[in-house]
Amino acid sequence: EAGVAQSPRYKIIEKRQSVAFWCNPISGHATLYWYQQILGQGPKLLIQFQNNGVVDDSQLPKDRFSAERLKGVDSTLKIQPAKLEDSAVYLCASSSLQRTGELFFGEGSRLTVL
Amino acid sequence: AQSVTQLGSHVSVSEGALVLLRCNYSSSVPPYLFWYVQYPNQGLQLLLKYTSAATLVKGINGFEAEFKKSETSFHLTKPSAHMSDAAEYFCAVITSGSARQLTFGSGTQLTVLP
Repeated sequence: EAGVAQSPRYKIIEKRQSVAFWCNPISGHATLYWYQQILGQGPKLLIQFQNNGVVDDSQLPKDRFSAERLKGVDSTLKIQPAKLEDSAVYLCASSSLQRTGELFFGEGSRLTVL
Repeated sequence: AQSVTQLGSHVSVSEGALVLLRCNYSSSVPPYLFWYVQYPNQGLQLLLKYTSAATLVKGINGFEAEFKKSETSFHLTKPSAHMSDAAEYFCAVITSGSARQLTFGSGTQLTVLP
């Protein structure tokens, strides 16, 4: 079974530039999450999708972050414009509706903002 | 709102020694609790979960955790540490409400000394 795929693995940009991250969840998983993990901290939820609808985006900084999940499968997270404090690993995870709390994570996309 | 607190951001043990990673939860209702492990440059992986079926939960790689309601704890243990156990460990709790999201602790970095 293929895992959660994310790209790119690493990205370096300057502040005020834009960046996009892509995620392909495990086939059949209805729920998709984007987490932000700052060095030395636990992952923080940014947004949760169920199929192609948003369940919770209360912690997403909507003035600069946006995310979409077209057709209920792949998802894209965009940051525009980036700030220094956005430097972090962006983790995508997916889960099935029947297995609450059992998330499968991708390897993450590490963003460095200079 | 449910939350978890991990005591000790860094723990070092000798190979073959007992591993004990501490997690305390705060919840007004019976919680669902989880331990995840993150190896360097990888995503998080589920170690074990507590969903009220049994207070002693066994997970992968020889780890186990015991739910103690009187102490509001869910500590992770392994009788004998192996070099390959070196990683960061996160305790997590399911939040209440319809979204059923995971909220992670700040993590404990485990170092195994030869």
